[in-house]
Amino acid sequence: DQQVKQNSPSLSVQEGRISILNCDYTNSMFDYFLWYKKYPAEGPTFLISISSIKDKNEDGRFTVFLNKSAKHLSLHIVPSQPGDSAVYFCAASGINTGKLIFGQGTTLQVKP
Amino acid sequence: GAGVSQTPSNKVTEKGKYVELRCDPISGHTALYWYRQSLGQGPEFLIYFQGTGAADDSGLPNDRFFAVRPEGSVSTLKIQRTERGDSAVYLCASSLGLAGGETQYFGPGTRLLVL
Repeated sequence: DQQVKQNSPSLSVQEGRISILNCDYTNSMFDYFLWYKKYPAEGPTFLISISSIKDKNEDGRFTVFLNKSAKHLSLHIVPSQPGDSAVYFCAASGINTGKLIFGQGTTLQVKP
Repeated sequence: GAGVSQTPSNKVTEKGKYVELRCDPISGHTALYWYRQSLGQGPEFLIYFQGTGAADDSGLPNDRFFAVRPEGSVSTLKIQRTERGDSAVYLCASSLGLAGGETQYFGPGTRLLVL
């Protein structure tokens, strides 16, 4: 039972264009959603998060959008840079727990 | 300041053996988490600690897996009678507190291979 799903295993975009990574979830009790980025042989690195009471959070080139009615969130990266090439994980947690439920990940390749 | 460190970085063992994986969290972080990541999958929650006590161990797959954090800092994940299916990257993370949405900082992981 996959509570957090990233249905696109990979995405390729041109440098300077927008990258959009998607994530769906099934548990309406999730209160926080986070995006992590992972390079090979390294642990995941926190990128950006959003609380369930918001629908948008922006940090520089990264914006996360949350659509609670659709149980869907997306990460927008604009403009994309070659250094953004990595695996991106969507994760969710409840209000009183730090336990993260991760999606399967999407491998982003940004071509110069 | 130092991040989360994990030792060993790689561990090869034979089926049936016992292994211990160590995690040193960021100093001052009270919460510590263990996850397991299999090839092509996202990290899967195993257990987390608030201080010395296990706050949630619902992700441990069976009683061969056990974790301790005796002094509220370093943690050890112990796997008895290892099986080939235990092969994965074991990730440790720590955070300042346990509030939902609290940023978790991950270590580089221990790659366990059971032959």
